[in-house]
Amino acid sequence: EPEVTQTPSHQVTQMGQEVILRCVPISNHLYFYWYRQILGQKVEFLVSFYNNEISEKSEIFDDQFSVERPDGSNFTLKIRSTKLEDSAMYFCATETSGGSSSYEQYFGPGTRLTVT
Amino acid sequence: AQSVAQPEDQVNVAEGNPLTVKCTYSVSGNPYLFWYVQYPNRGLQFLLKYITGDNLVKGSYGFEAEFNKSQTSFHLKKPSALVSDSALYFCAVRDLFNDGLTFGKGTHLIIQP
Repeated sequence: EPEVTQTPSHQVTQMGQEVILRCVPISNHLYFYWYRQILGQKVEFLVSFYNNEISEKSEIFDDQFSVERPDGSNFTLKIRSTKLEDSAMYFCATETSGGSSSYEQYFGPGTRLTVT
Repeated sequence: AQSVAQPEDQVNVAEGNPLTVKCTYSVSGNPYLFWYVQYPNRGLQFLLKYITGDNLVKGSYGFEAEFNKSQTSFHLKKPSALVSDSALYFCAVRDLFNDGLTFGKGTHLIIQP
């Protein structure tokens, strides 16, 4: 069964450094999402991406964050200058368009980001 | 603004007994409702959804959920629990105007042998 994959599984970085989190979506999926979960808190929506542009973003997704699909396969989340409060598990999710699986978001295993 | 409430941090059920995990929601338009399950060190796994149609929806692993519009609820149920059902369960909602899911805080389901 096709799965969403994410790399790395764990990233440790120093405050102020840039990080890029990578996701490989399920091959026929057209909608892409990033969520985060701070330890002990709810899963929170960050951004959705469709047709090579952001379609929706939350208040969390400020100028420090960016997303892109550089090569038609990977979907990336970049944090330009990490802060301690960016420490969280980051989940990528992807969704197909139309059919019986409409609106079903399929999640990757997550990248645990630790900012020191 | 959308919101989801899962009032129980933990639900304990004996194996073979029926289980219910509660969820209530608030959304401005018609709700699209979802249940996800998370096993340790794994991502969120889709279980089932309600978009429109029959209020009782069936999903993976024998789970089902009932949409109740008047009570704004979408409780997850299973007639006979298995020890392997023990996991963290998340209810989520979106509407037609929002792409992102709004999640509840999760409910730990513990099935005792």
